[in-house]
Amino acid sequence: EAAVTQSPRNKVTVTGGNVTLSCRQTNSHNYMYWYRQDTGHGLRLIHYSYGAGNLQIGDVPDGYKATRTTQEDFFLLLELASPSQTSLYFCASSDGQGAERLFFGHGTKLSVL
Amino acid sequence: AQKVTQTQTSISVVEKTTVTMDCVYETRDSSYFLFWYKQTASGEIVFLIRQDSYKKENATVGHYSLNFQKPKSSIGLIITATQIEDSAVYFCAMRGGNYKYVFGAGTRLKVIA
Repeated sequence: EAAVTQSPRNKVTVTGGNVTLSCRQTNSHNYMYWYRQDTGHGLRLIHYSYGAGNLQIGDVPDGYKATRTTQEDFFLLLELASPSQTSLYFCASSDGQGAERLFFGHGTKLSVL
Repeated sequence: AQKVTQTQTSISVVEKTTVTMDCVYETRDSSYFLFWYKQTASGEIVFLIRQDSYKKENATVGHYSLNFQKPKSSIGLIITATQIEDSAVYFCAMRGGNYKYVFGAGTRLKVIA
């Protein structure tokens, strides 16, 4: 079973703060994704990547940067956090070849005060 | 742009009965993949079942099956012989040629004894 690990599991910051969420997958998947989950909206795609150095814009990218440093690691950056970014963030990965399913991490709960 | 719509916010059923959850999607892609995921009470997101757009046969896995109606852009999830443990939030999702996975808002299922 594919493993996707997110850290931290919980994070509290203040408005204007700088936050980095980390995601690592250990199955050599090509694609990695960042989603946010909010009541009534389901999972909304922030950014995704198909390999180291690549970044694709998702559906709700405003206020977020992301960087894929290696095949395994994908980071989500909030440089000036706002209360509207309080949410549950999920990272996911997919091999993009055949299996075509997402493997999810356990999520990071972010609170911006 | 891709879009996935789940209009049922919540459903309650009696244990051991059958439930159907609705999902409609929008895409311009000629080939795409459709998925259902389950989010448990712990927050874990688990893959359930997938339908490839070019396949006419409805996918079935265990007590999960799909009702794929391509002309209506509809992919319903059918759970037979429901169990208390099936209580969860169910998400419909699709992936098109751009490797974006787009999710619906989710349907909360409650199975009562």
